[in-house]
Amino acid sequence: DADVTQTPRNRITKTGKRIMLECSQTKGHDRMYWYRQDPGLGLRLIYYSFDVKDINKGEISDGYSVSRQAQAKFSLSLESAIPNQTALYFCATSDFAESGGADTQYFGPGTRLTVL
Amino acid sequence: RKEVEQDPGPFNVPEGATVAFNCTYSNSASQSFFWYRQDCRKEPKLLMSVYSSGNEDGRFTAQLNRASQYISLLIRDSKLSDSATYLCVVNLEGYSTLTFGKGTMLLVSP
Repeated sequence: DADVTQTPRNRITKTGKRIMLECSQTKGHDRMYWYRQDPGLGLRLIYYSFDVKDINKGEISDGYSVSRQAQAKFSLSLESAIPNQTALYFCATSDFAESGGADTQYFGPGTRLTVL
Repeated sequence: RKEVEQDPGPFNVPEGATVAFNCTYSNSASQSFFWYRQDCRKEPKLLMSVYSSGNEDGRFTAQLNRASQYISLLIRDSKLSDSATYLCVVNLEGYSTLTFGKGTMLLVSP
C-alpha cells in the first residue's frame, strides 16, 4: 500500500463549489504539506503543518484553507472554487530534520482538479 | 525574491550520453539540498540528497558549491528510462520548508 494517499485522484467541479481534497499517510511523519503544480510554474507551497496543532500559510494560501484532523490526515479545502485553481495538487510528508534545514519530502500521487 | 533557478531544457540526448544539470539558489543560509525526479503527470520522487562533499549513487553524481550557491547533477550512460523532469530542491530562508525549482526536462532517445 502507498505511504501517502490522496483522494480523489481526479475531480471536475464548477465555479463557486466547495470542494475538499484529502491526504492520508502511514509514514508516521509529523509534517505535512499541500502544493499545487501548474505548467511552467513548478510546485508552489499552499499550506503546511508541523504537527496536529500547527498550521502555516505557504506561498499561495489565498482561496484555500486546511484542516489537520490527526497526525496522519491533512485536508485542503477550496471554499468557492474558481477556474484559475485548476491544477495538479500534491500532498507531501516529511520527518523532522535533526541537523536543521528540511528533511526529505514524500509525495502522494496527486489530485487533478479542473474548475469549470 | 528568493528562488531556485534551473535551465528548463529540454535536454535531448542519445542513450549512453553524459548530461549535466545545473541549479542556482539565492539564499546562502540554505542547509538542505535535493534532486527530485518527476515523470509526466506523476508525483515528484527523491532522486538523491546533495551533500557538501559531493555524493554519487550509481550513474548519478551530485555536487554542491556553497560559495557559488550552485548545485549540479551529472548523469552518466543515460538510459531511456532516465527521461523525466529533474527538480532542484532547496530549503531557502533556512527554514524547514522546501522550495522547488521549475525543473529541467530530459529526453533520452535511442
